Amino acid sequence: TQLLEQSPQFLSIQEGENLTVYCNSLSVFSSLQWYRQEPGEGPVLLVTVVTGGEVKKLKRLTFQFGDARKDSSLHITAAQPGDTGLYLCAGSDIQGAQKLVFGQGTRLTINP
Amino acid sequence: NAGVTQTPKFRILKIGQSMTLQCTQDMNHNYMYWYRQDPGMGLKLIYYSVGAGITDKGEVPNGYNVSRSTTEDFPLRLELAAPSQTSVYFCASSYSAWGRGDTDTQYFGPGTRLTVL
Repeated sequence: TQLLEQSPQFLSIQEGENLTVYCNSLSVFSSLQWYRQEPGEGPVLLVTVVTGGEVKKLKRLTFQFGDARKDSSLHITAAQPGDTGLYLCAGSDIQGAQKLVFGQGTRLTINP
Repeated sequence: NAGVTQTPKFRILKIGQSMTLQCTQDMNHNYMYWYRQDPGMGLKLIYYSVGAGITDKGEVPNGYNVSRSTTEDFPLRLELAAPSQTSVYFCASSYSAWGRGDTDTQYFGPGTRLTVL
């Protein structure tokens, strides 16, 4: 069974600080997705990374896929209260993305 | 477009009761999924479907059944509710599941919060 471990599980920081969330596995994934989930809602896709070593930027968010495609990171620069939420990583294997494996999530709180 | 809709939003069941969670998407997506999310945890795949008439098990299928008679609808059936099935259930859909691009984006419904007492 493929597992994805996210760290930290909880993170509370002040507005303006930078942070990094990690998503690690012993398994190789063909692609990895990052989602953000607000309370009472379903997850919303932020980005998909496909190539080992790939870096994608979404405004103040930077996503990186490890060279070996076993890990990924999400870096937020100058965090804002609107970034508060549950961040989930999910990996798909070479058989396709119909069986995503999710990490347990990182609950991020940005204090004004 | 409404996207993915789920009903009901909340439900309380007694042990042994049965119910069907409804899921409908209006995006003409081929793939549909059912996940459960326990408190403080990520999502676990229960069942998925690659098209009308075709379903397959995910990571945690025991205690659940699904059917896919149309492209739009993918109901999840709980036959004998147990306390371990207390969770938030999410339905999702995607156009593809090749694992390589934007067409794999899964769109999630708002969830059904189920409590079994």
